[in-house]
Amino acid sequence: DGGITQSPKYLFRKEGQNVTLSCEQNLNHDAMYWYRQDPGQGLRLIYYSQIVNDFQKGDIAEGYSVSREKKESFPLTVTSAQKNPTAFYLCASRSRGTNEKLFFGSGTQLSVL
Amino acid sequence: SQQGEEDPQALSIQEGENATMNCSYKTSINNLQWYRQNSGRGLVHLILIRSNEREKHSGRLRVTLDTSKKSSSLLITASRAADTASYFCATGSTSGGSYIPTFGRGTSLIVHP
Repeated sequence: DGGITQSPKYLFRKEGQNVTLSCEQNLNHDAMYWYRQDPGQGLRLIYYSQIVNDFQKGDIAEGYSVSREKKESFPLTVTSAQKNPTAFYLCASRSRGTNEKLFFGSGTQLSVL
Repeated sequence: SQQGEEDPQALSIQEGENATMNCSYKTSINNLQWYRQNSGRGLVHLILIRSNEREKHSGRLRVTLDTSKKSSSLLITASRAADTASYFCATGSTSGGSYIPTFGRGTSLIVHP
């Protein structure tokens, strides 16, 4: 099946720990995005990447880092510098062209122990 | 960054009734999209309307766009209990060659059987 896969579904972080959220897509999409969603809130853009080996900060990039070494993969690291990491994290991808529809993964819920 | 804002924040209706959600945004857009999110899941694309279109239909969904008022509405006709979800509008714009979708806070729809 083609799609976008996020793992793990649930993740717990200890104080001072870095954690990495996985996002993989087999849709051959060039663009990938990371969003953060807090309860009852909309989606806020953390980072995005339009092409391999290139990525840009979104509105709330502080305390996060990403890499885009492969077209299929766009992992997000939540560093210890992110003081309030508890949230639902969503990864999305998009193909180039006139259809700008986003495809989303099923999300990762990150909580602090 | 620009952001759509949905109204109302919450909507509770009976099965068979119509549900109308509105979205307002601040700056010029290329297109506007509506997404649906079931609790604890990723977003699913419903419909896209371009800035030069005024109305679009897809099954029980009807979307309108008024660029002069910077607003859009999503109408779900003959609602079903399975339509219970959160609905988000996303406005699309291009910045420096990158397409960046930004989301509103969503409307939480509950359809009572």
